[in-house]
Amino acid sequence: GAGVSQSPRYKVAKRGQDVALRCDPISGHVSLFWYQQALGQGPEFLTYFQNEAQLDKSGLPSDRFFAERPEGSVSTLKIQRTQQEDSAVYLCASSNLDEQFFGPGTRLTVL
Amino acid sequence: QKEVEQNSGPLSVPEGAIASLNCTYSDRGSQSFFWYRQYSGKSPELIMSIYSNGDKEDGRFTAQLNKASQYVSLLIRDSQPSDSATYLCAVDTGRRALTFGSGTRLQVQP
Repeated sequence: GAGVSQSPRYKVAKRGQDVALRCDPISGHVSLFWYQQALGQGPEFLTYFQNEAQLDKSGLPSDRFFAERPEGSVSTLKIQRTQQEDSAVYLCASSNLDEQFFGPGTRLTVL
Repeated sequence: QKEVEQNSGPLSVPEGAIASLNCTYSDRGSQSFFWYRQYSGKSPELIMSIYSNGDKEDGRFTAQLNKASQYVSLLIRDSQPSDSATYLCAVDTGRRALTFGSGTRLQVQP
């Protein structure tokens, strides 16, 4: 079926605003990952779900970042009180076995 | 020392030549290795995965893994201008999360 989808594709937020980024994984994929990619760098791991269980959140940079996947399908990454250093592309990937397939990403710009 | 190291490039090769991209990793327990291609402004696209020592070929692409040397490489034969992109090496150390290098920018000159 369709690949991983993410929305919005672009988000501009004023410093201090809360944002919510959505990821719709490939149908049937059990595992879902969030990564953050700064300009000129490789993606950096944020958090990982297997079905609805968040098994690893060691990459979340602060307690302002929160992710959920309540029904084991769609996931939301929420960033509270955004800061300029949160500006990056947020990538979602899904997987059934070892290979991870990425969505188009959400480019977040915090002014 | 970064966990996954790549030369940032740019690596410039003429059209039709072989492009050789290299990656080293620090965690000896790593089991799964991946190469992603990323065009400017786009998301990473999986092009190869390799899990055991030796070579794995897929079309014009060959991935090579040497766990003793902690080294992974990607060869692109008959390079085309459309291969111009950043190539990201990614390693799964067993946590499921991928650790990426910073990528090597490849330029194929027509």
